[in-house]
Amino acid sequence: RKEVEQDPGPFNVPEGATVAFNCTYSNSASQSFFWYRQDCRKEPKLLMSVYSSGNEDGRFTAQLNRASQYISLLIRDSKLSDSATYLCVVLNLNAGNNRKLIWGLGTSLAVNP
Amino acid sequence: EAGVVQSPRYKIIEKKQPVAFWCNPISGHNTLYWYRQNLGQGPELLIRYENEEAVDDSQLPKDRFSAERLKGVDSTLKIQPAELGDSAVYLCASSDGGSGNQPQHFGDGTRLSIL
Repeated sequence: RKEVEQDPGPFNVPEGATVAFNCTYSNSASQSFFWYRQDCRKEPKLLMSVYSSGNEDGRFTAQLNRASQYISLLIRDSKLSDSATYLCVVLNLNAGNNRKLIWGLGTSLAVNP
Repeated sequence: EAGVVQSPRYKIIEKKQPVAFWCNPISGHNTLYWYRQNLGQGPELLIRYENEEAVDDSQLPKDRFSAERLKGVDSTLKIQPAELGDSAVYLCASSDGGSGNQPQHFGDGTRLSIL
Protein backbone atom coordinates (compact mmCIF):
# COMPACT_ATOMS: atom_id res chain seq x y z
CA ARG A 1 0.00 0.00 0.00
CA LYS A 2 1.31 3.45 -0.90
CA GLU A 3 1.97 5.86 1.94
CA VAL A 4 -0.27 8.48 0.38
CA GLU A 5 -2.96 7.59 -2.13
CA GLN A 6 -5.16 9.73 -4.30
CA ASP A 7 -7.63 8.98 -7.05
CA PRO A 8 -5.81 10.27 -10.15
CA GLY A 9 -9.08 11.23 -11.85
CA PRO A 10 -9.60 13.05 -14.07
CA PHE A 11 -12.62 14.64 -12.50
CA ASN A 12 -14.63 16.45 -15.16
CA VAL A 13 -17.19 18.82 -13.69
CA PRO A 14 -19.25 21.74 -15.03
CA GLU A 15 -18.71 25.27 -13.82
CA GLY A 16 -20.49 25.92 -10.55
CA ALA A 17 -20.35 22.32 -9.42
CA THR A 18 -19.11 21.16 -6.06
CA VAL A 19 -16.32 18.62 -6.18
CA ALA A 20 -14.51 16.72 -3.43
CA PHE A 21 -11.21 14.87 -3.38
CA ASN A 22 -10.03 12.42 -0.79
CA CYS A 23 -6.52 11.40 0.09
CA THR A 24 -5.70 8.44 2.32
CA TYR A 25 -2.48 7.99 4.26
CA SER A 26 -1.04 4.86 5.83
CA ASN A 27 0.94 6.21 8.80
CA SER A 28 -1.32 6.82 11.75
CA ALA A 29 1.34 9.01 13.35
CA SER A 30 1.46 11.48 10.45
CA GLN A 31 1.92 14.98 11.75
CA SER A 32 0.85 17.57 9.22
CA PHE A 33 -1.14 17.68 6.03
CA PHE A 34 -1.26 19.99 3.06
CA TRP A 35 -3.04 20.43 -0.24
CA TYR A 36 -0.99 21.80 -3.12
CA ARG A 37 -2.24 22.85 -6.51
CA GLN A 38 -0.19 22.30 -9.64
CA ASP A 39 -1.05 23.75 -13.03
CA CYS A 40 0.17 22.04 -16.18
CA ARG A 41 3.93 22.51 -16.58
CA LYS A 42 4.12 24.69 -13.49
CA GLU A 43 5.51 24.16 -10.01
CA PRO A 44 3.30 23.06 -7.09
CA LYS A 45 1.84 25.89 -5.05
CA LEU A 46 0.46 25.62 -1.56
CA LEU A 47 -3.31 25.75 -1.57
CA MET A 48 -3.93 25.22 2.12
CA SER A 49 -2.71 23.46 5.21
CA VAL A 50 -5.14 21.02 6.79
CA TYR A 51 -5.87 21.47 10.47
CA SER A 52 -7.40 18.96 12.83
CA SER A 53 -10.49 21.09 13.28
CA GLY A 54 -10.93 21.55 9.54
CA ASN A 55 -10.42 24.84 7.79
CA GLU A 56 -12.02 26.91 5.10
CA ASP A 57 -10.62 29.46 2.68
CA GLY A 58 -13.25 30.97 0.44
CA ARG A 59 -14.65 28.24 -1.77
CA PHE A 60 -12.17 25.67 -0.47
CA THR A 61 -12.68 23.51 2.62
CA ALA A 62 -10.14 21.02 3.93
CA GLN A 63 -10.86 18.37 6.53
CA LEU A 64 -8.85 15.78 8.38
CA ASN A 65 -10.20 12.47 9.63
CA ARG A 66 -7.52 10.87 11.77
CA ALA A 67 -9.63 7.86 12.70
CA SER A 68 -10.05 6.85 9.08
CA GLN A 69 -6.71 8.33 8.02
CA TYR A 70 -7.82 10.56 5.23
CA ILE A 71 -7.95 14.21 4.32
CA SER A 72 -10.39 15.81 1.98
CA LEU A 73 -10.62 18.92 -0.15
CA LEU A 74 -13.98 20.35 -1.11
CA ILE A 75 -14.31 22.97 -3.84
CA ARG A 76 -17.63 24.78 -4.08
CA ASP A 77 -18.90 26.79 -7.04
CA SER A 78 -16.00 25.57 -9.17
CA LYS A 79 -14.46 27.94 -11.70
CA LEU A 80 -12.69 27.25 -14.96
CA SER A 81 -9.51 28.47 -13.30
CA ASP A 82 -9.75 25.66 -10.74
CA SER A 83 -8.67 23.20 -13.44
CA ALA A 84 -5.38 21.79 -12.19
CA THR A 85 -3.86 18.82 -10.40
CA TYR A 86 -4.36 18.75 -6.64
CA LEU A 87 -1.58 17.13 -4.67
CA CYS A 88 -1.98 15.73 -1.18
CA VAL A 89 1.10 16.00 1.06
CA VAL A 90 1.67 14.31 4.42
CA LEU A 91 4.45 15.00 6.91
CA ASN A 92 5.76 11.98 8.78
CA LEU A 93 8.32 11.69 11.55
CA ASN A 94 10.38 8.53 11.42
CA ALA A 95 12.00 6.61 14.28
CA GLY A 96 14.97 8.96 14.28
CA ASN A 97 12.63 11.94 14.63
CA ASN A 98 13.49 12.96 11.08
CA ARG A 99 10.63 14.46 9.20
CA LYS A 100 9.71 13.37 5.71
CA LEU A 101 7.15 14.80 3.34
CA ILE A 102 5.26 12.22 1.33
CA TRP A 103 3.57 13.42 -1.84
CA GLY A 104 0.56 11.88 -3.48
CA LEU A 105 0.51 11.54 -7.25
CA GLY A 106 -2.26 14.11 -7.52
CA THR A 107 -5.87 14.28 -8.62
CA SER A 108 -6.61 15.94 -11.93
CA LEU A 109 -9.59 18.31 -12.10
CA ALA A 110 -11.05 19.73 -15.30
CA VAL A 111 -13.82 22.31 -14.93
CA ASN A 112 -15.81 22.66 -18.12
CA PRO A 113 -17.87 25.64 -19.33
CA GLU B 1 8.86 38.82 -0.84
CA ALA B 2 10.99 37.23 -3.53
CA GLY B 3 10.21 33.58 -4.13
CA VAL B 4 12.49 30.63 -4.71
CA VAL B 5 14.64 31.29 -7.77
CA GLN B 6 15.93 28.52 -9.98
CA SER B 7 18.03 28.53 -13.09
CA PRO B 8 18.11 27.61 -15.83
CA ARG B 9 14.42 27.19 -16.70
CA TYR B 10 15.22 24.72 -19.47
CA LYS B 11 18.23 22.58 -20.27
CA ILE B 12 18.78 20.25 -23.18
CA ILE B 13 21.90 18.11 -23.22
CA GLU B 14 23.13 14.92 -24.75
CA LYS B 15 23.40 11.81 -22.60
CA LYS B 16 26.65 11.35 -20.72
CA GLN B 17 27.13 15.12 -20.44
CA PRO B 18 27.21 16.85 -17.06
CA VAL B 19 24.53 19.33 -15.98
CA ALA B 20 24.04 21.59 -12.99
CA PHE B 21 21.03 23.39 -11.55
CA TRP B 22 21.06 26.34 -9.20
CA CYS B 23 18.59 27.38 -6.52
CA ASN B 24 18.26 30.46 -4.35
CA PRO B 25 15.72 29.89 -1.55
CA ILE B 26 13.46 32.43 0.08
CA SER B 27 15.48 34.66 2.38
CA GLY B 28 15.55 33.28 5.90
CA HIS B 29 14.38 29.79 4.97
CA ASN B 30 16.87 27.37 6.45
CA THR B 31 15.37 24.23 4.91
CA LEU B 32 15.96 23.56 1.23
CA TYR B 33 14.72 20.64 -0.86
CA TRP B 34 15.51 19.29 -4.28
CA TYR B 35 12.79 17.25 -5.98
CA ARG B 36 12.50 15.48 -9.29
CA GLN B 37 9.10 15.30 -10.95
CA ASN B 38 8.23 13.12 -13.88
CA LEU B 39 5.17 13.71 -16.02
CA GLY B 40 1.99 12.67 -14.24
CA GLN B 41 3.76 12.02 -10.95
CA GLY B 42 4.08 13.86 -7.68
CA PRO B 43 7.46 15.36 -6.76
CA GLU B 44 10.05 12.84 -5.55
CA LEU B 45 12.46 14.10 -2.88
CA LEU B 46 16.12 13.86 -3.81
CA ILE B 47 17.73 15.68 -0.91
CA ARG B 48 16.84 17.93 2.01
CA TYR B 49 19.14 20.44 3.67
CA GLU B 50 18.87 22.03 7.07
CA ASN B 51 21.17 25.02 6.68
CA GLU B 52 24.30 23.58 5.09
CA GLU B 53 23.76 20.03 6.32
CA ALA B 54 22.22 17.37 4.08
CA VAL B 55 19.89 15.64 6.56
CA ASP B 56 18.06 13.37 4.12
CA ASP B 57 19.75 12.21 0.92
CA SER B 58 18.47 8.65 0.99
CA GLN B 59 16.75 9.04 -2.39
CA LEU B 60 19.66 10.71 -4.15
CA PRO B 61 21.34 8.41 -6.72
CA LYS B 62 24.80 9.06 -5.43
CA ASP B 63 26.63 7.40 -8.26
CA ARG B 64 25.78 10.28 -10.57
CA PHE B 65 24.00 12.95 -8.54
CA SER B 66 25.60 15.36 -6.12
CA ALA B 67 24.44 18.46 -4.33
CA GLU B 68 25.89 21.14 -2.17
CA ARG B 69 24.66 24.06 -0.14
CA LEU B 70 27.67 26.08 0.84
CA LYS B 71 27.03 28.69 3.52
CA GLY B 72 23.51 27.35 3.96
CA VAL B 73 21.88 29.58 1.35
CA ASP B 74 22.14 28.82 -2.38
CA SER B 75 22.31 25.26 -3.55
CA THR B 76 23.43 23.43 -6.67
CA LEU B 77 22.39 20.01 -7.89
CA LYS B 78 24.65 18.24 -10.35
CA ILE B 79 24.25 15.19 -12.55
CA GLN B 80 27.32 13.61 -14.07
CA PRO B 81 26.97 11.83 -16.40
CA ALA B 82 23.35 12.38 -17.37
CA GLU B 83 21.27 9.44 -18.60
CA LEU B 84 18.14 9.35 -20.73
CA GLY B 85 16.03 8.51 -17.69
CA ASP B 86 17.07 11.73 -15.97
CA SER B 87 14.74 13.75 -18.20
CA ALA B 88 12.34 15.40 -15.76
CA VAL B 89 11.57 18.66 -14.02
CA TYR B 90 13.91 19.40 -11.13
CA LEU B 91 12.21 21.47 -8.47
CA CYS B 92 13.79 23.36 -5.61
CA ALA B 93 11.72 24.29 -2.58
CA SER B 94 12.38 26.01 0.71
CA SER B 95 10.58 26.29 4.00
CA ASP B 96 10.99 28.01 7.31
CA GLY B 97 12.10 24.70 8.84
CA GLY B 98 11.52 24.78 12.57
CA SER B 99 9.01 22.16 13.61
CA GLY B 100 8.58 20.80 10.12
CA ASN B 101 4.98 21.92 9.94
CA GLN B 102 5.82 24.75 7.63
CA PRO B 103 4.72 24.39 4.02
CA GLN B 104 7.18 24.43 1.17
CA HIS B 105 7.48 27.10 -1.44
CA PHE B 106 8.65 26.03 -4.86
CA GLY B 107 10.70 27.59 -7.58
CA ASP B 108 9.62 27.41 -11.22
CA GLY B 109 11.75 24.31 -11.77
CA THR B 110 14.31 23.35 -14.38
CA ARG B 111 13.00 21.22 -17.21
CA LEU B 112 15.78 18.84 -18.26
CA SER B 113 15.71 16.99 -21.55
CA ILE B 114 18.33 14.39 -22.37
CA LEU B 115 18.89 13.60 -26.03
